Amino acid sequence: GENVEQHPSTLSVQEGDSAVIKCTYSDSASNYFPWYKQELGKRPQLIIDIRSNVGEKKDQRIAVTLNKTAKHFSLHITETQPEDSAVYFCAASIGGSNYKLTFGKGTLLTVNP
Amino acid sequence: DTAVSQTPKYLVTQMGNDKSIKCEQNLGHDTMYWYKQDSKKFLKIMFSYNNKELIINETVPNRFSPKSPDKAHLNLHINSLELGDSAVYFCASSHVAGTSGGGKTTYNEQFFGPGTRLTVL
Repeated sequence: GENVEQHPSTLSVQEGDSAVIKCTYSDSASNYFPWYKQELGKRPQLIIDIRSNVGEKKDQRIAVTLNKTAKHFSLHITETQPEDSAVYFCAASIGGSNYKLTFGKGTLLTVNP
Repeated sequence: DTAVSQTPKYLVTQMGNDKSIKCEQNLGHDTMYWYKQDSKKFLKIMFSYNNKELIINETVPNRFSPKSPDKAHLNLHINSLELGDSAVYFCASSHVAGTSGGGKTTYNEQFFGPGTRLTVL
């Protein structure tokens, strides 16, 4: 089955700096890569996703890049703010009726004011 | 209005007891999921139901039995609770992902419930 590795497990940045979280996946058939943000005590929420036919996607201060050949994808957050502090999960999935998300182990991002 | 709701929010019980967690979604989705998040925050799929039919069962002990009375509800019953069952359990739902005519693959966002924190003493 699919295996998703996520690094780093913790990341601390100063407000205004950029943050990058990296993930690798094992199954070359995976073709959908969402990122979820989970604030302390809250539910995971989708913040951005990318399909395998796209190399990069941006949404305001967040962007995701995908390298299918190397089987890795990354989340980039620019101009970080204290409210970006949360646990971020990457995930990978093979599309189809039995699609399921395999999550990375999460990155605790702390943005220091 | 809450899109995906779970009850109870907290559940504290003794080892060996049987307990249930309920989940309801009002988004009109046809696929629902149960995830377990352990103390290290690792999120792992347990079950998935599509139109009341079990489509994913991730080698979960048979003490765990999901039940979907209709598309909007997916309950989780746990027998003979063990210490290792302590975790946060999240329900989620999405429109069905699949392959439409012409071979186009669709993917749909999963919406999570607020979670149920289960503590087994």
